[in-house]
Amino acid sequence: GAVVSQHPSWVICKSGTSVKIECRSLDFQATTMFWYRQFPKQSLMLMATSNEGSKATYEQGVEKDKFLINHASLTLSTLTVTSAHPEDSSFYICSVAGGSYEQYFGPGTRLTVT
Amino acid sequence: GEDVEQSLFLSVREGDSSVINCTYTDSSSTYLYWYKQEPGAGLQLLTYIFSNMDMKQDQRLTVLLNKKDKHLSLRIADTQTGDSAIYFCAESTARGNTPLVFGKGTRLSVIA
Repeated sequence: GAVVSQHPSWVICKSGTSVKIECRSLDFQATTMFWYRQFPKQSLMLMATSNEGSKATYEQGVEKDKFLINHASLTLSTLTVTSAHPEDSSFYICSVAGGSYEQYFGPGTRLTVT
Repeated sequence: GEDVEQSLFLSVREGDSSVINCTYTDSSSTYLYWYKQEPGAGLQLLTYIFSNMDMKQDQRLTVLLNKKDKHLSLRIADTQTGDSAIYFCAESTARGNTPLVFGKGTRLSVIA
């Protein structure tokens, strides 16, 4: 299957700062990527769908001005958490899809906002 | 909207079989998946099944689908301590370009 990487794997930032998380598809051209958020001991919740070359589609309740998504190429999508607050602390996971039945997930990025 | 339910915990002895159950509500679900998540890690796709199948077996893993009851199960034969993890059931109504709807996950603990 596709190999998906995320960078960084863990980041600690101060409240009010912005953090960029990268999701890369290493061997697969991903027309669509998804960003999920997972709170401790909970399931994955879809935040947004990122389509290469167009604007992301956000789920209800997700602030698009706070969680900026850019999918500039078929192998890279970025999620920027702007003006982060402690309640944004979570595990952020991306997945890639290319039209097959499978979705491949990145290893996740743990964000801690102090 | 779609909903996927799983029991939260399962504890088994090493060498026994584990059965993790999942129910879903969307009758148009076409693809059903099982993912494994180890502590602090991302999700690993274990297996998936199409809605027109009743069973799929892959080495120690057996997936059973009862479409009438919207019930999916994952059986792990000869469970090992390395199988301890959280197992997520997920469903999708279309091919891979649509997001998955996940259950809350079942934490499997294997006792040596």
